[in-house]
Amino acid sequence: QSVLTQPPSASGTPGQRVTISCSGSSSNIGSNYVYWYQQLPGTAPKLLIYRNNQRPSGVPDRFSGSKSGTSASLAISGLRSEDEADYYCAAWDDSLSGPAVVFGGGTKLTVL
Amino acid sequence: QVQLVQSGAEVKKPGASVKVSCKASGYTFTGYYMHWVRQAPGQGLEWMGWINPNSGGTNYAQKFQGRVTMTRDTSISTAYMELSRLRSDDTAVYYCARDLVPYSSGYYGEDYWGQGTLVTVSS
Repeated sequence: QSVLTQPPSASGTPGQRVTISCSGSSSNIGSNYVYWYQQLPGTAPKLLIYRNNQRPSGVPDRFSGSKSGTSASLAISGLRSEDEADYYCAAWDDSLSGPAVVFGGGTKLTVL
Repeated sequence: QVQLVQSGAEVKKPGASVKVSCKASGYTFTGYYMHWVRQAPGQGLEWMGWINPNSGGTNYAQKFQGRVTMTRDTSISTAYMELSRLRSDDTAVYYCARDLVPYSSGYYGEDYWGQGTLVTVSS
């Protein structure tokens, strides 16, 4: 059971806009930045979004992130076949049981 | 260019220990925290902890306290993660990953990742 909650799957057709949600609590998303990672099959994760909505250099502006309260979203516009991957959200968690980086369970994006 | 190259796959018996290395190049090794993240087969990502390569200070996830040890050798720009008392559910790909922000004291995301090291625990 992951601390951050994501839908297990999402899908869209080429050119569409898709959003992936990530729900947390006051100890993680509610008080800290959100990060998004893309993991293509058989490869290491890649940082897509940092500090809620910032893109590292080289990440297309088709990818955007937002945060409101204890939830966050990743939006992918102009969907392409190469976007088919697993997507994970992450945040720092200030939990009294032990601060840690927490991840969502991942969302498998299928491009139809 | 920044590179993190990890050691090769390991097969261990339950109760044994494993030590995974992560050799960094292309940047100032002591300037960026190094995280360790694992991924069990078909499962999601799990953060294990970080090490500050400059001071050697560590921060472990509570789940791994007492079983994990993260160290570094600055002379060869290499970070290590040792996990002891291995169980079958420790079977996973283990990644090292560099923190995004230099000289930080928190979590800012991981921008460069190693290729991963598969650790298989089986009797």
